[in-house]
Amino acid sequence: DIQMTQSPSSLSASVGDRVTISCRASQGIRNHLAWFQQKPGKPPKSLIYAAFSLQSGVPSRFSGSGSGTDFTLTISSLQPEDFATYYCQQYDSYPLTFGGGTKVEIE
Amino acid sequence: QVQLQESGPELVKPSETLSLTCTVSGGSLSSYSWTWIRQPAGKGLEYIGRIFATGSTDYSPSLKSRVTMSVDTSKSQFSLKMSSVTAADTAVYYCVRELRDDSGWFRIDYWGQGTLVTVSS
Repeated sequence: DIQMTQSPSSLSASVGDRVTISCRASQGIRNHLAWFQQKPGKPPKSLIYAAFSLQSGVPSRFSGSGSGTDFTLTISSLQPEDFATYYCQQYDSYPLTFGGGTKVEIE
Repeated sequence: QVQLQESGPELVKPSETLSLTCTVSGGSLSSYSWTWIRQPAGKGLEYIGRIFATGSTDYSPSLKSRVTMSVDTSKSQFSLKMSSVTAADTAVYYCVRELRDDSGWFRIDYWGQGTLVTVSS
């Protein structure tokens, strides 16, 4: 199985901050990487697929980059509704695997 | 608008079989992969397996011996059975749709709301 490692596991930030979350795959996954946002009691919501393609309806302050084994999710200006847990997920091979999550909290 | 809705018993006894059904509305089952993912409380996401409208399946190696999936295209439903459950199987179970993108790879695009299944006597 491909292991997905996210860092940090949690971070504190203020509204307006630029936030960066990293995700590393244990082997190359080309650009087959998705990012999800999850709020308590809700299912994950798709933000980005193919490493950098924005899902329809997702604000442009979210962006993704990377290829191969190293990927990044960036929120350019954190908004109150962005406080949540973020997961990366590889879909290059099965079984699908997810990172452990990054919880973004209010500073 | 595609919607997925999980249904099934919320409480299952240890050693028994967990059974869930996902009903899909707003779209056909064809051309997509239909997947189950679970999430124990406060923890991360785990892939269980997937099924196509043809009935072809793929299961997580770690759960393969206990998992069976089936599909009923006439009812727009697909199902999960997991045998010999223990407390470690207590989780929110999500049904998910995977869409084949332009590169030919399947990616998740829709999630159900999830259903909490508790394994306890």
